[in-house]
Amino acid sequence: EAGVAQSPRYKIIEKRQSVAFWCNPISGHATLYWYQQILGQGPKLLIQFQNNGVVDDSQLPKDRFSAERLKGVDSTLKIQPAKLEDSAVYLCASSSTRAGNTIYFGEGSWLTVV
Amino acid sequence: GDSVTQMEGPVTLSEEAFLTINCTYTATGYPSLFWYVQYPGEGLQLLLKATKADDKGSNKGFEATYRKETTSFHLEKGSVQVSDSAVYFCALGLYSSASKIIFGSGTRLSIRP
Repeated sequence: EAGVAQSPRYKIIEKRQSVAFWCNPISGHATLYWYQQILGQGPKLLIQFQNNGVVDDSQLPKDRFSAERLKGVDSTLKIQPAKLEDSAVYLCASSSTRAGNTIYFGEGSWLTVV
Repeated sequence: GDSVTQMEGPVTLSEEAFLTINCTYTATGYPSLFWYVQYPGEGLQLLLKATKADDKGSNKGFEATYRKETTSFHLEKGSVQVSDSAVYFCALGLYSSASKIIFGSGTRLSIRP
């Protein structure tokens, strides 16, 4: 079974530029998550989707971050404009009640804002 | 609110030493508990889990027991190896209409040959 796929793996941008990350969850997983992991900290949930609806986006900085999952499968996370403090790893994860609700993570997209 | 507290690192041990990484949690309801591991340059991997009180999760020589009375889920391994060097995250999972997982801040483990 293929895991959670993310791209790009690495991205370096200048502040005030924009960036987009893509995620394809495990096939059949209804729930998709985007986490932000700043160096030395634990992952923080940015947004959670159930199919194509948003379950929780309380910690998403909506003035600059946006995410969508239009067809209930893959998802895109966008940052515009980026700030230095956005430098982090952006982790996508997915889960399914049929798979015991275990959450599986992708390898992450490493963002450096300079 | 729901949260996870784990011991701060870094933790440095010699090979074959006994390992304990403490983790306590606060949660409403009956969460599941997890340990995730992150090797250098890689993503998070599920190491072990326990879904109810007194369950013991185990994998790769690591163990953790879900203790409801002390709200703890300490990670242990009897004899660590250099290859166990990584960052370990304790996490709790909440399940209502959908799954949600909350992470601790992570503990960096370094094993000396």
